[in-house]
Amino acid sequence: ETGVTQTPRHLVMGMTNKKSLKCEQHLGHNAMYWYKQSAKKPLELMFVYSLEERVENNSVPSRFSPECPNSSHLFLHLHTLQPEDSALYLCASSQVAGTLYNEQFFGPGTRLTVL
Amino acid sequence: QKEVEQDPGPLSVPEGAIVSLNCTYSNSAFQYFMWYRQYSRKGPELLMYTYSSGNKEDGRFTAQVDKSSKYISLFIRDSQPSDSATYLCAFPGSSNTGKLIFGQGTTLQVKP
Repeated sequence: ETGVTQTPRHLVMGMTNKKSLKCEQHLGHNAMYWYKQSAKKPLELMFVYSLEERVENNSVPSRFSPECPNSSHLFLHLHTLQPEDSALYLCASSQVAGTLYNEQFFGPGTRLTVL
Repeated sequence: QKEVEQDPGPLSVPEGAIVSLNCTYSNSAFQYFMWYRQYSRKGPELLMYTYSSGNKEDGRFTAQVDKSSKYISLFIRDSQPSDSATYLCAFPGSSNTGKLIFGQGTTLQVKP
């Protein structure tokens, strides 16, 4: 595997389900990110982890719970979601998080549908 | 006022056309200016970045920044069907967390 991988690629869940999204980066980076991409809206940053420590939580509802067990893996745990949470969830990584210029490498995303 | 404004399109052009994609922004503190390209069913990938005002050229692509007008552009010369994608402008919003602020993205279709 190369770059940033995400599983599953597609997920359909009910409002009462609990599921998790997984992201893995094979680039040796130290920072990882979760973004939400909805139709007709800009990418919204959700969480940033730097060296496994959460450094940004962009006012995300508590029904989204991130976990970063090591610098290569990032999870997004989902529970009691709403239909408006349906979107493409993108994971990204970068060398570091603390510089002004910061190229982020994105995974292909998980297309989430909440029924 | 939105921090970044980008016309979502869609923009449809014939093969070989010159394409101009634009973003306006409101935060005068932005110093780096980035363009990402996102193909269907893929994540965004960095296409070009510039620092400060001026032009930067990379093959058929030219990125232009006008900081006085808070306006950035991406020009594509001799457009190809393979350029069909969504183009997103992005701006580093924080030096502490690496946060990027994205435009909505412009969807481009280049017809053969």
